[in-house]
Amino acid sequence: DQQVKQNSPSLSVQEGRISILNCDYTNSMFDYFLWYKKYPAEGPTFLISISSIKDKNEDGRFTVFLNKSAKHLSLHIVPSQPGDSAVYFCAATRYNFNKFYFGSGTKLNVKP
Amino acid sequence: DAGVIQSPRHEVTEMGQEVTLRCKPISGHDYLFWYRQTMMRGLELLIYFNNNVPIDDSGMPEDRFSAKMPNASFSTLKIQPSEPRDSAVYFCASSLGTTGSRNQPQHFGDGTRLSIL
Repeated sequence: DQQVKQNSPSLSVQEGRISILNCDYTNSMFDYFLWYKKYPAEGPTFLISISSIKDKNEDGRFTVFLNKSAKHLSLHIVPSQPGDSAVYFCAATRYNFNKFYFGSGTKLNVKP
Repeated sequence: DAGVIQSPRHEVTEMGQEVTLRCKPISGHDYLFWYRQTMMRGLELLIYFNNNVPIDDSGMPEDRFSAKMPNASFSTLKIQPSEPRDSAVYFCASSLGTTGSRNQPQHFGDGTRLSIL
């Protein structure tokens, strides 16, 4: 049973607009969340993370929002660029617990 | 700095053959993870090691799968005998675990694309 779900397999956005990728989790014990980006024929690379003591974390064009009551997180990319086209995975874990639970990924296509 | 190194990048073999995937983690990382990526299940954790000791192998699908970590700089994932449903991309990742107040991210290799005919 998947504890982390990304219900949108794909998303298409125009260059310069906002991309919003969503992720839901079921385990209320999760308190640390990460987003990874994956290009074809490469491994996933770490993008941004957030701990449950925060509800927002920003890094340049990337912002992750966490809604603990809804067990939902989202990744906002503003402005989107063609180089952002990739598969994005969200992951969840507990502090001091090194097993990450990954979603199935969302393929983002940013059109020039 | 060298990242996680996996070999081979591609493997095509016939059903019933033994397959061995290899991984060299980032130097100094004490956690090593093996994942499998499929269209249906996304990224699923197969097994992970801490200081060369297997901690959780609950994701290993069957007894046909085995993993070892004989030292801090090398791990193998073996499938014997292989079956067509084992076809997937297999990733190795390593990390520093938890340091201070945060979980350290896992760093992934570029994967091995395995095709079992």
